[in-house]
Order: sequence, then structure tokens, then C-alpha cells
Amino acid sequence: DVKVTQSSRYLVKRTGEKVFLECVQDMDHENMFWYRQDPGLGLRLIYFSYDVKMKEKGDIPEGYSVSREKKERFSLILESASTNQTSMYLCASSFGGFGTEAFFGQGTRLTVV
Amino acid sequence: ILNVEQSPQSLHVQEGDSTNFTCSFPSSNFYALHWYRWETAKSPEALFVMTLNGDEKKKGRISATLNTKEGYSYLYIKGSQPEDSATYLCASPGGTSYGKLTFGQGTILTVHP
Repeated sequence: DVKVTQSSRYLVKRTGEKVFLECVQDMDHENMFWYRQDPGLGLRLIYFSYDVKMKEKGDIPEGYSVSREKKERFSLILESASTNQTSMYLCASSFGGFGTEAFFGQGTRLTVV
Repeated sequence: ILNVEQSPQSLHVQEGDSTNFTCSFPSSNFYALHWYRWETAKSPEALFVMTLNGDEKKKGRISATLNTKEGYSYLYIKGSQPEDSATYLCASPGGTSYGKLTFGQGTILTVHP
């Protein structure tokens, strides 16, 4: 059974903290993605990676960075958490190409207080 | 940014009703259209990936059609059941080959017993 696993289902952090969200996939996918989901806005792409150590900004990268040191692991970093980063964060992976489906993790509900 | 729109935003139906919702996307430079189902407390899962104009796909009671010339796709659910309650997301990869997806806002379907 293919899997994308996110390290936490729920997180509560304080404003100004550095936050790490971890994602691991076991499908040997080249491409990995971080999205956030907010009510009425759908999933928005924060960053993606198409190879180890390679990354590109998505549509809303401000306040975030990423790390991909190994093919199976993609980390999202909130450098200094703010309340407007309270959201559901979803990691996904895929082989890439237009017709290949994405596989998602279960999501991390992050609350910044 | 690619513009993918879904309607309606939410839908309440009774068990046994058939329902449908719409995804619209730019008809120029079309590559593929993805549909995902996201049930509460689970990961989003792919329903269909459609690439050809006129394509029709079916999975059980759920089917989808694609019109790339006019830029829309319909998702149909026949005889809705409470377990069909979920958020239905459509997405397009635009012109990138990395599998990066632009999502619509989603349609939240609630099926009442």
C-alpha cells in the first residue's frame, strides 16, 4: 500500500517559533509538494521539489522554506510562525507528468497561538 | 496563476439523490484534469485523471466527463450515499511536467440519510 506520511496530525505552536513539518513517501517519487488548505480557498501550493536538493516556489512561499536532503523526505519549515499560518498543511508526492495522480498525506492541522 | 474554479461551493442532498458539480479551467494549453475526493480525517485520493477531450470515466456510482474545448468537467454521483459525503477537488497541472497542480476551491458534499 502506497504511503505518504506526515509526522503530526495536530500541532499547536507559539507565535515566533520555528516549526518543522515532516513528510515521508515510500513510492520512490521524484516530485514532492507542500500545500495548505484554507476554507473557501482550496489547496494552494507553497513549495515543491523535483529532485533531491532541488526546490521551487509555489504560489504562496512567503514565510516558508523547505528542505529535501533525501528523496523520500520533504520538510516544510516555518521560519517564525505567525497566526496567519494557522492552517491545514498537506504533503503530496507524484512521479510527475501531466497524467499522473498525486498521493497525499493525512494532513497536519497547525494552530499558531 | 492558472485559474481553476469549482461550483457550487457546497451541496446538501438526500440519500438516493443524484448530483453533479462543475470544474472550469482555461481551455488553452490544456494538459490534464484531475478529480480528488477528500473525506474527513482522511487523505485526498484520486478519483480520475482525464486527458482527452470527450473523455468519460466511471468508478462505481461516480463518473466524470471532460470538455477541453470549452474548459469544463462535470462530476456526477448517482444515487448518493452518506459515505459519499466529502470535499471533491478538481485540479489542473497547467503547463508544467513536474506534477504541480492548481486546485479549485472544492465542492463540499453532504449526503443526509
